Amino acid sequence: AQSVTQLGSHVSVSEGALVLLRCNYSSSVPPYLFWYVQYPNQGLQLLLKYTSAATLVKGINGFEAEFKKSETSFHLTKPSAHMSDAAEYFCAVTRGSSASKIIFGSGTRLSIRP
Amino acid sequence: EPEVTQTPSHQVTQMGQEVILRCVPISNHLYFYWYRQILGQKVEFLVSFYNNEISEKSEIFDDQFSVERPDGSNFTLKIRSTKLEDSAMYFCASSERSGQHYEQYFGPGTRLTVT
Repeated sequence: AQSVTQLGSHVSVSEGALVLLRCNYSSSVPPYLFWYVQYPNQGLQLLLKYTSAATLVKGINGFEAEFKKSETSFHLTKPSAHMSDAAEYFCAVTRGSSASKIIFGSGTRLSIRP
Repeated sequence: EPEVTQTPSHQVTQMGQEVILRCVPISNHLYFYWYRQILGQKVEFLVSFYNNEISEKSEIFDDQFSVERPDGSNFTLKIRSTKLEDSAMYFCASSERSGQHYEQYFGPGTRLTVT
């Protein structure tokens, strides 16, 4: 079975500071990993995805994530936080097969302090 | 840019009533999905649908739930007799194909409140 665990339900950083949102995965097969963002009262938007091509994945809005198999991690980072980054972030996983059900983590709410 | 749309944005219903949540997937997409998010909890997969058939469903998707593509554009989720615990945000998604290389595009969601 596959799962993802997000460490920290709420993260608060100052504007301009480093953003680090943690995600660990569990998978018996090579995983395909995603980060989604959900702005208030909006749907889920794909930030980035890892599909085994490169371990460092760059996404939209300056975010990136690194797949580390040895640590079973896929942490999301951004060098300098902006007020507009305030949102809920979900790590997610799916199997590397024709099945495409997405399994989501519990989410991390990111707050940005002025 | 094409997007998935959902109506209504908010639905309030009484326990025991039937509700139909509507979605218009992106026009050239072939795979359709429903997910739900109970307030404060994670997003959970409900069902996937392809070629007028359910491809996969979760244990949440019991006999009270059904999905349908009644015409060439709409994709609906019906809850036959709503319960209080059905209160949640329901997201529709669609993808061009199945598999990890094909992004699922999510709609803005329908907030269902069962009283």
